[in-house]
Amino acid sequence: QVQLVQYGAEVKKPGSSVKVSCKASRGTFSNYIFIWVRQAPGQGLEWMGRIVPSIGSINYAQKFQGRVTIDADESTSTAYMKLSGLRADDAAIYYCARSGLEFGDPIDYWGQGMVVTVSS
Amino acid sequence: DIVMTQTPLSSPVTLGQPASISCRSSQSLVHHNGNTYLSWLHQRPGQPPRLLIYKISNRFSGVPDRFSGSGAGTDFTLRISRVEADDVGIYYCMQTAQLPHTFGQGTKLEIK
Repeated sequence: QVQLVQYGAEVKKPGSSVKVSCKASRGTFSNYIFIWVRQAPGQGLEWMGRIVPSIGSINYAQKFQGRVTIDADESTSTAYMKLSGLRADDAAIYYCARSGLEFGDPIDYWGQGMVVTVSS
Repeated sequence: DIVMTQTPLSSPVTLGQPASISCRSSQSLVHHNGNTYLSWLHQRPGQPPRLLIYKISNRFSGVPDRFSGSGAGTDFTLRISRVEADDVGIYYCMQTAQLPHTFGQGTKLEIK
């Protein structure tokens, strides 16, 4: 069973940063692309960016450029997403997800998500 | 960015009856390799989404054959032949033809 393990929840102050981790079990880490998607309370899904660990390629959604950093540590099979300059409207569940390396491959597995609350 | 538009946004359905959700993209999702990169996801309350259908009509592992996808170019449809109680939740279409990948707004399926 593929697992993308994300831990719990964080409460952050406006203007601070949050770093979300996603540990992959099962399968070779470098055989996949890792994607970050967020979902604000009661809202839809929003694609933030992705990393292809095997080639070090990273893409970000324009909306988050300059505030988001995605990276990965192949030695621990863990992907990370850091969002800076937190605002109240960044409160959301942050999901990591996985797709294959072929062009257009769909997201086939999702982590459970990490709840981020932004409050002073 | 490619805009994905779903209709309806809410769909009350009777158990055992069919359901249908439409998704339209602002640009063609056909790649020059001939594949069309449109997926359907299902999200139950309190759960992450899960993949149902990819490349328009391919069911993901373990997805019942009650679910089917169709369409071409910019217009796509998800059909559930006989709705079961477990099918409630929100359905999203998603395009992976062009970065950034984008999602439809979601369609809430509920039982009448």
